[in-house]
Amino acid sequence: NAGVTQTPKFQVLKTGQSMTLQCAQDMNHEYMSWYRQDPGMGLRLIHYSVGAGITDQGEVPNGYNVSRSTTEDFPLRLLSAAPSQTSVYFCASRKTSNYGYTFGSGTRLTVV
Amino acid sequence: DAKTTQPPSMDCAEGRAANLPCNHSTISGNEYVYWYRQIHSQGPQYIIHGLKNNETNEMASLIITEDRKSSTLILPHATLRDTAVYYCIVSLTGNQFYFGTGTSLTVIP
Repeated sequence: NAGVTQTPKFQVLKTGQSMTLQCAQDMNHEYMSWYRQDPGMGLRLIHYSVGAGITDQGEVPNGYNVSRSTTEDFPLRLLSAAPSQTSVYFCASRKTSNYGYTFGSGTRLTVV
Repeated sequence: DAKTTQPPSMDCAEGRAANLPCNHSTISGNEYVYWYRQIHSQGPQYIIHGLKNNETNEMASLIITEDRKSSTLILPHATLRDTAVYYCIVSLTGNQFYFGTGTSLTVIP
């Protein structure tokens, strides 16, 4: 198993551009989540999903959209990038609610 | 989800047990206690979780007080590779998982 795969690993965007951060898992996990981590801070939940077709907002959802059309994929879309969205983004998945999350290696995003 | 309180930093001598405390005084009866750690800028790594009984795995032990208002993560023989930020999280057996700022553990040679 590859685990949780995030692409790209690094990205630089200009203010106002849009892009999609990709996340895929091959462990048949039902639960998937997106977090952001700003320098020196803990992780903050952006959006999460408990299964294909089901998504919900987390702590800091503004400026981001998600969809979950398959169990394997959970892309995160930045609609109009802002410098405040400069951060490291982590995707995570877990089998059910009674398991720990497996995290990807992160996408380092800079918005200039 | 209940909030947690952890000391911002701790030191531990290499080879000794590292005991990381966490207060979660507002925990509800069906919320689990989870521990994760993050080494440098890598993705967080799951360590252990429990409901009310003490738990042990190959990485660590989790001791939860009888009233469930606090817990302690124990790394029995700390190594330099255990230097990381450790997060204590309480969560319903559901969807949302909130991280705080954690405890920065430094293992000293």
